[in-house]
Amino acid sequence: DTAVSQTPKYLVTQMGNDKSIKCEQNLGHDTMYWYKQDSKKFLKIMFSYNNKELIINETVPNRFSPKSPDKAHLNLHINSLELGDSAVYFCASSREALYGYTFGSGTRLTVV
Amino acid sequence: SQQGEEDPQALSIQEGENATMNCSYKTSINNLQWYRQNSGRGLVHLILIRSNEREKHSGRLRVTLDTSKKSSSLLITASRAADTASYFCAPLIPNSGYALNFGKGTSLLVTP
Repeated sequence: DTAVSQTPKYLVTQMGNDKSIKCEQNLGHDTMYWYKQDSKKFLKIMFSYNNKELIINETVPNRFSPKSPDKAHLNLHINSLELGDSAVYFCASSREALYGYTFGSGTRLTVV
Repeated sequence: SQQGEEDPQALSIQEGENATMNCSYKTSINNLQWYRQNSGRGLVHLILIRSNEREKHSGRLRVTLDTSKKSSSLLITASRAADTASYFCAPLIPNSGYALNFGKGTSLLVTP
């Protein structure tokens, strides 16, 4: 049973397109996150949701919009994709935000 | 910066040896967490140490925390080739929205 699952695992798309990455967790966690890992392995928080409400929105272009239809899902929609958006995007979840995170296996986005 | 900074950036040892990685941070914390990332995979939570704890063990892992020096260390004893991965520390900062910020990690290579 996959605890945090992301789809798709790989995404190759052209500049200017709009794409979505889906994330689902079956752990009953209250908080979900999106992280971006660049080519230098630096992992940066993008968004954090607690019980479907946005609690963190780091300095991220507004082309990125998270959507949380329910506590178990946090999707990431990206408009007008740019070359610099190429990275690995990780979804994660945690219980009450003070405990360890469970990460998904990542979505490798390549913009050409 | 609210992220941890790992040192060294890269570490190469032989199987059976111990591996020590260090982490420094800049502000007071709720807890500090260590994660492992195998190549092409998501991060896996290893151990969490609270600000009022000084040492914690989990199997072959030993984590120490010195809040006066704002530093932590992760010791892996009797390392195995399967321990080859990147290791990240993440301090949890109060009033940060409880989002973990990660550094660039320590890349550990364990050779047979």
